[in-house]
Amino acid sequence: QQQVKQSPQSLIVQKGGISIINCAYENTAFDYFPWYQQFPGKGPALLIAIRPDVSEKKEGRFTISFNKSAKQFSLHIMDSQPGDSATYFCAAAKTSYDKVIFGPGTSLSVIP
Amino acid sequence: ETGVTQTPRHLVMGMTNKKSLKCEQHLGHNAMYWYKQSAKKPLELMFVYNFKEQTENNSVPSRFSPECPNSSHLFLHLHTLQPEDSALYLCASSQVAGGGYEQYFGPGTRLTVT
Repeated sequence: QQQVKQSPQSLIVQKGGISIINCAYENTAFDYFPWYQQFPGKGPALLIAIRPDVSEKKEGRFTISFNKSAKQFSLHIMDSQPGDSATYFCAAAKTSYDKVIFGPGTSLSVIP
Repeated sequence: ETGVTQTPRHLVMGMTNKKSLKCEQHLGHNAMYWYKQSAKKPLELMFVYNFKEQTENNSVPSRFSPECPNSSHLFLHLHTLQPEDSALYLCASSQVAGGGYEQYFGPGTRLTVT
């Protein structure tokens, strides 16, 4: 049973478009939601993270939207670029001494 | 060297072999992790060490044996593996163990069991 669900599994977006990846969780005790980006041949790297006391967080072209009542959160990549092509993982954790639960990942391809 | 390094980057081993994966972090962190990454599956947490003490073993088969001699080094000893153990093995570290602390990942070891 996946504690963190993620969709779509793969995504193709044209350069300049908006990439949207959605995630959902069940455990209401989760209160830390990071997104990781992984390029081929590399380990995942933290991209952006949010806590449920805010509904949106923006860093450059990357925005996380958070809907606590629906237990859903999403990543929007504005003006998507070929260099954004990577696998994106959403994740969730309780900020107290606890492990991070990762979603299955979304493979994003941004085509020129 | 900076960040988290892992050696070897690629490993092919037979089912009767014994090998070890090595991880070293140069970030001054106190927690280290082993993850298994298989295609189209979530990252599977295997082991967590906090201040050299194992704090989590996620029901990992005994053919995987971790060792953490100090906060900077982590090993994964492998013996009598199965073909389904073929995967990318990722090491990570964080300031301390806990969901609110950013984990820094190494590049991984691509393991193939023949």
